Amino acid sequence: DTEVTQTPKHLVMGMTNKKSLKCEQHMGHRAMYWYKQKAKKPPELMFVYSYEKLSINESVPSRFSPECPNSSLLNLHLHALQPEDSALYLCASSLGGQETQYFGPGTRLLVL
Amino acid sequence: SQKIEQNSEALNIQEGKTATLTCNYTNYSPAYLQWYRQDPGRGPVFLLLIRENEKEKRKERLKVTFDTTLKQSLFHITASQPADSATYLCALGGAPSSGSARQLTFGSGTQLTVLP
Repeated sequence: DTEVTQTPKHLVMGMTNKKSLKCEQHMGHRAMYWYKQKAKKPPELMFVYSYEKLSINESVPSRFSPECPNSSLLNLHLHALQPEDSALYLCASSLGGQETQYFGPGTRLLVL
Repeated sequence: SQKIEQNSEALNIQEGKTATLTCNYTNYSPAYLQWYRQDPGRGPVFLLLIRENEKEKRKERLKVTFDTTLKQSLFHITASQPADSATYLCALGGAPSSGSARQLTFGSGTQLTVLP
């Protein structure tokens, strides 16, 4: 299995909702990442987990809450989002000590 | 502050020609540079990696050069095809920030269109 999967593909939520994005990989990778990408912009790093521990938090607002239940799974919990949070949310993983990141297809999020 | 610039937002070329995309950076000393391809609404797909001590890398119709003096990478697609149409992103990486995790910083991308 050489892919990163993300669910759901699309998500529409109101500003008072709570939702979660899910990411899964079965490549034995020990680093997992969340990125946010706005239209015609590059991916921006949000969080990095290394060996299931949060190692980087790029000053992301607390309405985004990451969770890494095990080495194959990565969640992003969303609460009280703003319309400007609408974007493509990408998950990626990399093998320990390797630089190449493997990206999932993303979740297209719309906050109303 | 660190800055990564890709030469143009959009590049149109005729099928069969060589496409050349540019990535310039400032205030950065990357250990390596990568190129990714991204199709609309999809995640980036890794293409090539070149390290700071390497001048050139090739893979099939793709070639990357890396000049750390000029702080520039060139990405070439030879014998281009309409299927090569996509956005191409360069990404710079440094030493591991923690454990095995490596942090990438992406350029804004160049949208390549290969015309039949």
